[in-house]
Amino acid sequence: EIVLTQSPATLSLSPGERATLSCRASQSVSSFLAWYQQKPGQAPRLLIYDASNRATGIPARFGGSGSGTDFTLTISSLEPEDFAVYYCQHRSNWPPNFGQGTRLEIK
Amino acid sequence: EVHLVESGGGVVRPGGSLRLSCAASGFTFDDYGMTWVRQVPGKGLEWVSGINWNGGSTGYADSVKGRFTISRDNAKNSLYLQMNSLRAEDTALYHCARGVGGYVFSDYWGQGTLVTVSS
Repeated sequence: EIVLTQSPATLSLSPGERATLSCRASQSVSSFLAWYQQKPGQAPRLLIYDASNRATGIPARFGGSGSGTDFTLTISSLEPEDFAVYYCQHRSNWPPNFGQGTRLEIK
Repeated sequence: EVHLVESGGGVVRPGGSLRLSCAASGFTFDDYGMTWVRQVPGKGLEWVSGINWNGGSTGYADSVKGRFTISRDNAKNSLYLQMNSLRAEDTALYHCARGVGGYVFSDYWGQGTLVTVSS
Protein backbone atom coordinates (compact mmCIF):
# COMPACT_ATOMS: atom_id res chain seq x y z
CA GLU A 1 0.00 0.00 0.00
CA ILE A 2 1.34 3.41 -0.98
CA VAL A 3 1.06 6.10 1.67
CA LEU A 4 0.81 9.73 0.61
CA THR A 5 2.10 12.29 3.11
CA GLN A 6 1.12 15.90 2.59
CA SER A 7 2.96 18.86 4.04
CA PRO A 8 2.52 21.17 5.69
CA ALA A 9 -0.64 20.19 7.54
CA THR A 10 -1.66 23.85 7.63
CA LEU A 11 -0.35 26.70 5.50
CA SER A 12 -1.13 30.30 6.44
CA LEU A 13 -0.73 32.83 3.64
CA SER A 14 -2.23 36.08 2.42
CA PRO A 15 -4.08 36.74 -0.83
CA GLY A 16 -1.63 37.46 -3.61
CA GLU A 17 1.08 35.24 -2.16
CA ARG A 18 2.41 32.07 -3.75
CA ALA A 19 1.41 28.75 -2.20
CA THR A 20 3.48 25.58 -2.43
CA LEU A 21 1.91 22.32 -1.21
CA SER A 22 3.80 19.05 -1.08
CA CYS A 23 2.72 15.43 -1.48
CA ARG A 24 5.26 12.67 -0.92
CA ALA A 25 4.61 9.02 -1.79
CA SER A 26 6.09 6.11 0.17
CA GLN A 27 7.11 4.56 -3.16
CA SER A 28 7.03 5.68 -6.76
CA VAL A 29 3.65 6.45 -8.29
CA SER A 30 5.20 7.54 -11.59
CA SER A 31 3.06 10.50 -12.71
CA PHE A 32 -0.20 8.99 -11.50
CA LEU A 33 -1.10 11.69 -9.01
CA ALA A 34 -4.04 14.07 -8.72
CA TRP A 35 -4.81 17.12 -6.62
CA TYR A 36 -8.24 18.12 -5.30
CA GLN A 37 -9.60 21.18 -3.56
CA GLN A 38 -12.38 20.97 -1.00
CA LYS A 39 -14.22 23.86 0.60
CA PRO A 40 -16.42 23.49 3.69
CA GLY A 41 -19.76 21.88 2.90
CA GLN A 42 -18.77 21.17 -0.69
CA ALA A 43 -17.69 18.12 -2.62
CA PRO A 44 -14.06 17.91 -3.71
CA ARG A 45 -13.05 19.50 -7.01
CA LEU A 46 -10.40 17.99 -9.27
CA LEU A 47 -7.61 20.47 -9.98
CA ILE A 48 -4.76 18.45 -11.47
CA TYR A 49 -4.49 14.88 -12.74
CA ASP A 50 -1.51 12.81 -13.80
CA ALA A 51 0.78 15.19 -11.93
CA SER A 52 0.60 18.22 -14.19
CA ASN A 53 -2.59 18.25 -16.27
CA ARG A 54 -5.10 20.89 -15.27
CA ALA A 55 -8.68 19.67 -15.19
CA THR A 56 -11.34 21.39 -17.25
CA GLY A 57 -12.09 24.92 -16.09
CA ILE A 58 -9.23 25.14 -13.58
CA PRO A 59 -7.49 28.54 -13.61
CA ALA A 60 -3.93 28.76 -14.85
CA ARG A 61 -2.69 29.91 -11.43
CA PHE A 62 -2.93 26.26 -10.32
CA GLY A 63 0.03 24.16 -11.40
CA GLY A 64 1.20 20.65 -10.62
CA SER A 65 4.67 19.18 -10.92
CA GLY A 66 6.72 16.19 -9.89
CA SER A 67 7.08 12.51 -10.61
CA GLY A 68 8.08 9.38 -8.75
CA THR A 69 7.67 10.17 -5.06
CA ASP A 70 7.69 13.96 -4.78
CA PHE A 71 4.93 16.21 -6.05
CA THR A 72 4.04 19.86 -5.70
CA LEU A 73 0.87 21.86 -6.16
CA THR A 74 1.63 25.52 -6.72
CA ILE A 75 -0.87 28.35 -6.64
CA SER A 76 0.95 31.27 -8.19
CA SER A 77 -1.05 34.12 -6.65
CA LEU A 78 -3.69 33.29 -4.07
CA GLU A 79 -7.24 34.47 -4.60
CA PRO A 80 -9.68 34.67 -1.66
CA GLU A 81 -11.58 31.64 -3.01
CA ASP A 82 -8.46 29.46 -2.93
CA PHE A 83 -8.45 29.06 0.85
CA ALA A 84 -9.58 25.47 1.35
CA VAL A 85 -8.29 21.97 2.06
CA TYR A 86 -6.20 20.29 -0.63
CA TYR A 87 -5.79 16.54 -1.09
CA CYS A 88 -3.53 14.47 -3.31
CA GLN A 89 -4.43 11.00 -4.57
CA HIS A 90 -2.51 8.38 -6.53
CA ARG A 91 -3.66 5.72 -8.94
CA SER A 92 -0.44 3.75 -9.23
CA ASN A 93 -1.75 0.62 -7.54
CA TRP A 94 -4.38 -0.59 -5.08
CA PRO A 95 -5.65 1.00 -2.98
CA PRO A 96 -5.60 4.44 -4.65
CA ASN A 97 -5.13 6.31 -1.40
CA PHE A 98 -5.57 9.97 -0.66
CA GLY A 99 -3.18 12.05 1.38
CA GLN A 100 -4.38 13.41 4.71
CA GLY A 101 -4.82 16.94 3.35
CA THR A 102 -3.27 20.39 3.68
CA ARG A 103 -5.41 23.20 5.03
CA LEU A 104 -4.65 26.50 3.33
CA GLU A 105 -5.84 29.30 5.57
CA ILE A 106 -5.84 33.07 5.38
CA LYS A 107 -3.06 34.68 7.38
CA GLU B 1 -24.12 20.45 -17.04
CA VAL B 2 -22.88 17.34 -15.23
CA HIS B 3 -25.11 16.42 -12.33
CA LEU B 4 -24.69 13.55 -9.87
CA VAL B 5 -27.26 12.95 -7.15
CA GLU B 6 -26.81 10.27 -4.52
CA SER B 7 -29.60 8.67 -2.51
CA GLY B 8 -30.19 5.72 -0.25
CA GLY B 9 -28.25 6.74 2.83
CA GLY B 10 -29.66 6.48 6.31
CA VAL B 11 -29.24 4.94 9.73
CA VAL B 12 -28.62 1.20 9.88
CA ARG B 13 -27.58 -1.19 12.63
CA PRO B 14 -24.21 -2.93 12.57
CA GLY B 15 -24.43 -5.98 10.35
CA GLY B 16 -27.19 -4.41 8.27
CA SER B 17 -27.33 -3.51 4.60
CA LEU B 18 -27.96 -0.46 2.47
CA ARG B 19 -28.02 0.20 -1.25
CA LEU B 20 -26.81 3.57 -2.43
CA SER B 21 -27.82 4.97 -5.79
CA CYS B 22 -26.38 7.74 -7.91
CA ALA B 23 -28.39 9.35 -10.71
CA ALA B 24 -26.22 10.88 -13.42
CA SER B 25 -27.17 13.47 -16.01
CA GLY B 26 -25.56 16.01 -18.31
CA PHE B 27 -23.05 13.62 -19.91
CA THR B 28 -22.93 10.34 -21.79
CA PHE B 29 -22.92 8.02 -18.81
CA ASP B 30 -21.56 4.94 -20.53
CA ASP B 31 -18.50 6.84 -21.74
CA TYR B 32 -17.12 7.07 -18.22
CA GLY B 33 -15.91 5.02 -15.32
CA MET B 34 -17.48 5.92 -11.99
CA THR B 35 -16.31 5.92 -8.40
CA TRP B 36 -17.55 5.99 -4.82
CA VAL B 37 -15.53 7.98 -2.31
CA ARG B 38 -16.44 8.42 1.34
CA GLN B 39 -15.62 10.98 3.95
CA VAL B 40 -16.20 10.96 7.66
CA PRO B 41 -17.47 14.49 8.46
CA GLY B 42 -14.52 16.67 9.33
CA LYS B 43 -12.00 14.04 8.20
CA GLY B 44 -10.21 13.05 5.03
CA LEU B 45 -11.23 11.24 1.85
CA GLU B 46 -11.24 7.48 1.30
CA TRP B 47 -11.65 5.92 -2.15
CA VAL B 48 -14.16 3.08 -1.75
CA SER B 49 -14.84 1.53 -5.13
CA GLY B 50 -14.77 2.12 -8.87
CA ILE B 51 -16.25 0.61 -12.01
CA ASN B 52 -15.36 0.98 -15.64
CA TRP B 53 -17.73 2.13 -18.36
CA ASN B 54 -19.46 -1.19 -18.97
CA GLY B 55 -19.14 -2.79 -15.56
CA GLY B 56 -16.55 -5.27 -16.78
CA SER B 57 -13.87 -4.06 -14.39
CA THR B 58 -14.28 -3.07 -10.76
CA GLY B 59 -12.05 -2.21 -7.83
CA TYR B 60 -12.52 -2.00 -4.07
CA ALA B 61 -10.69 -0.64 -1.08
CA ASP B 62 -9.42 -3.38 1.20
CA SER B 63 -11.67 -2.04 3.97
CA VAL B 64 -14.84 -2.87 2.01
CA LYS B 65 -13.77 -5.79 -0.20
CA GLY B 66 -16.14 -8.72 0.15
CA ARG B 67 -18.82 -6.58 1.79
CA PHE B 68 -19.59 -3.89 -0.81
CA THR B 69 -20.54 -4.38 -4.46
CA ILE B 70 -20.48 -1.66 -7.09
CA SER B 71 -22.65 -1.88 -10.18
CA ARG B 72 -24.17 0.31 -12.85
CA ASP B 73 -27.14 0.42 -15.17
CA ASN B 74 -26.21 2.39 -18.26
CA ALA B 75 -29.77 2.31 -19.56
CA LYS B 76 -30.83 4.17 -16.43
CA ASN B 77 -27.72 6.38 -16.13
CA SER B 78 -27.31 5.06 -12.62
CA LEU B 79 -24.55 3.86 -10.34
CA TYR B 80 -25.09 1.71 -7.28
CA LEU B 81 -23.24 0.58 -4.18
CA GLN B 82 -24.63 -2.42 -2.32
CA MET B 83 -23.27 -2.34 1.22
CA ASN B 84 -23.59 -5.45 3.38
CA SER B 85 -22.28 -6.39 6.82
CA LEU B 86 -22.02 -2.73 7.72
CA ARG B 87 -19.73 -1.66 10.54
CA ALA B 88 -19.55 1.47 12.67
CA GLU B 89 -16.42 2.48 10.76
CA ASP B 90 -18.44 2.63 7.52
CA THR B 91 -20.23 5.70 8.89
CA ALA B 92 -19.49 8.50 6.43
CA LEU B 93 -20.76 10.75 3.68
CA TYR B 94 -20.66 8.74 0.44
CA HIS B 95 -19.99 10.62 -2.78
CA CYS B 96 -20.36 9.26 -6.27
CA ALA B 97 -18.06 10.78 -8.85
CA ARG B 98 -17.29 10.60 -12.55
CA GLY B 99 -13.98 9.02 -13.46
CA VAL B 100 -11.18 10.63 -15.42
CA GLY B 101 -9.19 8.21 -17.56
CA GLY B 102 -10.56 5.26 -15.63
CA TYR B 103 -12.28 4.89 -12.30
CA VAL B 104 -9.90 6.32 -9.75
CA PHE B 105 -9.43 10.04 -10.34
CA SER B 106 -12.73 11.89 -10.39
CA ASP B 107 -13.65 15.18 -11.99
CA TYR B 108 -17.32 15.71 -11.06
CA TRP B 109 -18.73 14.79 -7.69
CA GLY B 110 -22.16 14.58 -6.12
CA GLN B 111 -22.90 16.20 -2.77
CA GLY B 112 -23.09 12.82 -1.07
CA THR B 113 -25.49 10.72 0.97
CA LEU B 114 -24.88 10.12 4.66
CA VAL B 115 -24.61 6.59 6.00
CA THR B 116 -24.72 6.11 9.77
CA VAL B 117 -24.07 2.69 11.24
CA SER B 118 -25.15 2.64 14.85
CA SER B 119 -26.96 0.43 17.29
